Amino acid sequence: DTEVTQTPKHLVMGMTNKKSLKCEQHMGHRAMYWYKQKAKKPPELMFVYSYEKLSINESVPSRFSPECPNSSLLNLHLHALQPEDSALYLCASSHRNPRTGQHTEAFFGQGTRLTVV
Amino acid sequence: AQSVAQPEDQVNVAEGNPLTVKCTYSVSGNPYLFWYVQYPNRGLQFLLKYITGDNLVKGSYGFEAEFNKSQTSFHLKKPSALVSDSALYFCAVRGSYSGAGSYQLTFGKGTKLSVIP
Repeated sequence: DTEVTQTPKHLVMGMTNKKSLKCEQHMGHRAMYWYKQKAKKPPELMFVYSYEKLSINESVPSRFSPECPNSSLLNLHLHALQPEDSALYLCASSHRNPRTGQHTEAFFGQGTRLTVV
Repeated sequence: AQSVAQPEDQVNVAEGNPLTVKCTYSVSGNPYLFWYVQYPNRGLQFLLKYITGDNLVKGSYGFEAEFNKSQTSFHLKKPSALVSDSALYFCAVRGSYSGAGSYQLTFGKGTKLSVIP
């Protein structure tokens, strides 16, 4: 099973709303990622969690707040977003080779299409 | 710093003809190279990877890629294109680091492949 599941698939929210994106994987991967992707552009890394601890925050505005409740779940809490935050938000996970310490391929979910109005 | 270049924004090929999508990379140390495909409004789907070993790697749906260390290239190929192969293709690289640096998956800008019936 190489599946990463994201909910919801689509989300429309106002600039004063609070919402959350959810991601789940059962591959035993201990690294989980949030990416933001604009149309016809490559994904941009936002956050990385390793062993449920935040390892990388790519200078993301505080209106995006990640959370990793356990090794299978990753959330992205959204508050007071701007219209320019409208994008496809992708969750991914990867396995770390215990011998080399290296991560290889990342597996992506289908994404949440977010529209901020 | 690591980088990926996909020199073609779009590649058009007739159905049944061979296809090539180009990728060159720059990274310190040994590269871990990947190809992903993205269909409209969907997440990224892993196609294949090069970590070590044979320079020709085979992946999903009949795709293969050739690693060329001297030319720092990792071109995606398929002997006979299908209309259903039409999608956006991303090349990506990780450096062979351990630790926080191993999370960085750098993508090219993407190449839109159109297979013409």
